[in-house]
Amino acid sequence: NAGVTQTPKFQVLKTGQSMTLQCAQDMNHNSMYWYRQDPGMGLRLIYYSASEGTTDKGEVPNGYNVSRLNKREFSLRLESAAPSQTSVYFCASKTRDGTYNEQFFGPGTRLTVL
Amino acid sequence: EDQVTQSPEALRLQEGESSSLNCSYTVSGLRGLFWYRQDPGKGPEFLFTLYSAGEEKEKERLKATLTKKESFLHITAPKPEDSATYLCAVQAPGSARQLTFGSGTQLTVLP
Repeated sequence: NAGVTQTPKFQVLKTGQSMTLQCAQDMNHNSMYWYRQDPGMGLRLIYYSASEGTTDKGEVPNGYNVSRLNKREFSLRLESAAPSQTSVYFCASKTRDGTYNEQFFGPGTRLTVL
Repeated sequence: EDQVTQSPEALRLQEGESSSLNCSYTVSGLRGLFWYRQDPGKGPEFLFTLYSAGEEKEKERLKATLTKKESFLHITAPKPEDSATYLCAVQAPGSARQLTFGSGTQLTVLP
């Protein structure tokens, strides 16, 4: 099992450009999540998908959109990138939403917006 | 509002020098406390889940404990390969989907 995979690993954008971050999991998990990690602030939830076909906003959703393409894949889109979106983005998954068990994380995408 | 505070921010130990990391939390009715390890340039790696005060879990040189206000990650006789950032996160009732993370403790174990 590869677990949670993310592409790309690194990306540099100019202000106003758009891009999509890809995430896939092969653990047959129902729930998937997108976080951002900034120095000194801990991980913060952007969007989540409790199950295939559903998505909801997390703590910091502004400037982002998501698509749950199927059970395996959950993408994060920046329509018009801003320097404030420079961060490390992590995708995570867990067996099922509504449970208090652990989430498993991917390796991250390091995004710089100039 | 749920809050998680980790201390110290950074810790340097000599190989074999045991110590503890602290995670203090403010949450109404804790449903789960999670410890993760994060290596530079990598994603968080799950270590432990604790659900109730008094619970303890161990893995190799690591032992996690939980009280009603805080959790400790005890590191016994650490090795250089234990160097990493250790993250603590909590879940509260009604927020089964959202983890609230602390900022982490950066541990360096010197040979």
